[in-house]
Formats: sequence, C-alpha cells, structure tokens
Amino acid sequence: AQSVTQLDSQVPVFEEAPVELRCNYSSSVSVYLFWYVQYPNQGLQLLLKYLSGSTLVESINGFEAEFNKSQTSFHLRKPSVHISDTAEYFCAVEGGTSYGKLTFGQGTILTVHP
Amino acid sequence: GAVVSQHPSRVICKSGTSVKIECRSLDFQATTMFWYRQFPKQSLMLMATSNEGSKATYEQGVEKDKFLINHASLTLSTLTVTSAHPEDSSFYICSARGPTTGRDPEAFFGQGTRLTVV
Repeated sequence: AQSVTQLDSQVPVFEEAPVELRCNYSSSVSVYLFWYVQYPNQGLQLLLKYLSGSTLVESINGFEAEFNKSQTSFHLRKPSVHISDTAEYFCAVEGGTSYGKLTFGQGTILTVHP
Repeated sequence: GAVVSQHPSRVICKSGTSVKIECRSLDFQATTMFWYRQFPKQSLMLMATSNEGSKATYEQGVEKDKFLINHASLTLSTLTVTSAHPEDSSFYICSARGPTTGRDPEAFFGQGTRLTVV
C-alpha cells in the first residue's frame, strides 16, 4: 500500500515570489508520482508526472518537481508565481500493481496575493 | 489531453432518494474508469475501479449495494448513490484511462459532482 503526505494544507504567497509545495510518500514498491491542480469549481488537471528517467520534471506553466528516492519526496516548486496559480494542488502516487489507482495527498491550497 | 465529462456538476437530493452520476470519455475509449470521493478538507479516496463489461471492484469499506457502478460501454460509466443519506454528501469525481499499449499511466479526470443530501 502507498500513502502520501502533503505537509502544508495552505500556502499563502505574494505574486512573483517563489513557492514550494511539499509532498512525501511511502511505498514498498516502485512508484509513479503526479501533481494535479484543481481550480475552483473544476475537476483535476494533470500538472506533471514522474514515470522514469530524469528525476526533474517540468510543466508547461513553469512548475517543476524533483523525485528524490532517498527522501521519498516529490516537492513541487515554481520560482515566480502568478495570481492565476491560485488553486488546490494534489500530490498522488501510483505504485506496483495498483495500475491506474491513485493514492492522493490531502491537498495544498495555494493562494497568491497581489 | 483527452476529455472526460462528468454530469451533473451539482445535485441536491432528498434523503432516501437515488442519484445517478455520469462519466463520459468524449474522445477516447475508456477501458478503465475510477470513482473517487472527497469529503470536506480531506483527500480524494478511491471508491471503486470499473472495467468495461465487467463488475466493478470496490475498495475496502465502500458498500457495493449502496454505490452502484455500471460501465456498460467504452465511453460511459455511471455511479448511482442509492437511498442517499446526508452523510453521503460529498464531492464525487471520476477518472478514465484508455487501452494501455505503453506504460503511460495518465488518467483523465472529470469535473466532479458536488452531491448534497438534505
């Protein structure tokens, strides 16, 4: 079984500031890792994913996440946030034979203030 | 990415009635669909997995007789909450994925359904 912990339930930041949303996971098998974003009153959108290869993965809107196997972490970062980044972010893991089944973290609400 | 449409987005029903939620893959064949539930201030929890043409597999603690899942076609899965009670009020969201020819495990999510039972 897998579990995911998002250490911060809410992260307020000012526009153009850097941000890091933390995610730690536990699993006894190899995992695939995901970050999803949920804007108000909308469904989940995939932000980025780690399947294999380079441990640093990037999204098209400036977010990046690094898979750290030794620390079992997959923190999400952005060097300069925008107001439009305000949303809830979910870290998720799929592991082993749990093909297609995602275990989610509790979510982190990112609020970007002007 | 592929599009998954979930309907309705919001529904209010009376206690004891049944509610059906639809999840459609609009531009791909969804061989597998997943149903999740999210209570306020909690994470999404997988309820069940359904494969087209076969019975759904429910996660531990989810009542199969209460949450009926049908996946009769490659583009449609339905979740029916039977005899709904206020404690069933939650955010229900589906995800769908197509045939797996590679190892890309991306699943596409619907918009979710906010169910309120009064």
